[in-house]
Amino acid sequence: AQRVTQPEKLLSVFKGAPVELKCNYSYSGSPELFWYVQYSRQRLQLLLRHISRESIKGFTADLNKGETSFHLKKPFAQEEDSAMYYCALRGQNFVFGPGTRLSVLP
Amino acid sequence: NAGVTQTPKFQVLKTGQSMTLQCAQDMNHEYMSWYRQDPGMGLRLIHYSVGAGITDQGEVPNGYNVSRSTTEDFPLRLLSAAPSQTSVYFCASSYSGLIGAFFGQGTRLTVV
Repeated sequence: AQRVTQPEKLLSVFKGAPVELKCNYSYSGSPELFWYVQYSRQRLQLLLRHISRESIKGFTADLNKGETSFHLKKPFAQEEDSAMYYCALRGQNFVFGPGTRLSVLP
Repeated sequence: NAGVTQTPKFQVLKTGQSMTLQCAQDMNHEYMSWYRQDPGMGLRLIHYSVGAGITDQGEVPNGYNVSRSTTEDFPLRLLSAAPSQTSVYFCASSYSGLIGAFFGQGTRLTVV
């Protein structure tokens, strides 16, 4: 079975502070993992994927198969980063975590 | 290139009414899916399709039907709307897992 957990419903940080959004998964096969972002009243957008090992808008995420985690990190949060963030796993189909609302305070 | 297009953007239904949410993509993606987004529950998969003529149930399929007669279209039908189906519905498509899913702008449905 595929499952994605995001333990924090809400994460508040001050502008300029580091941020880490946690994501853990369970999947018996080889996982494909993604982070999606949804700004207020907009559609979900793909932020980054583990396969490309890229940095988008200053965010990075490393797949840790030993800990079955794919945490999203940014060293210095900006106010425009405030949004809902969803971790997703693709096995047979896409399964999303419940999401974490990031609020970056001025 | 329009991407994933959903219609309508907003809809109000009375309990017991039926309707179809439309989803179309012009990227020749094989995989299409429908999600509902509810506060505190994230996105839950309703139905998905891995290609024309093939559909399967997701996590919360009850009360919804789908069909995939063409690669481009993946309509979601509510057979008899209930207040519990009040939600925001997102359609998504993907060519392969490496790319990830592209989402439509969502349909906000209210059942009264």
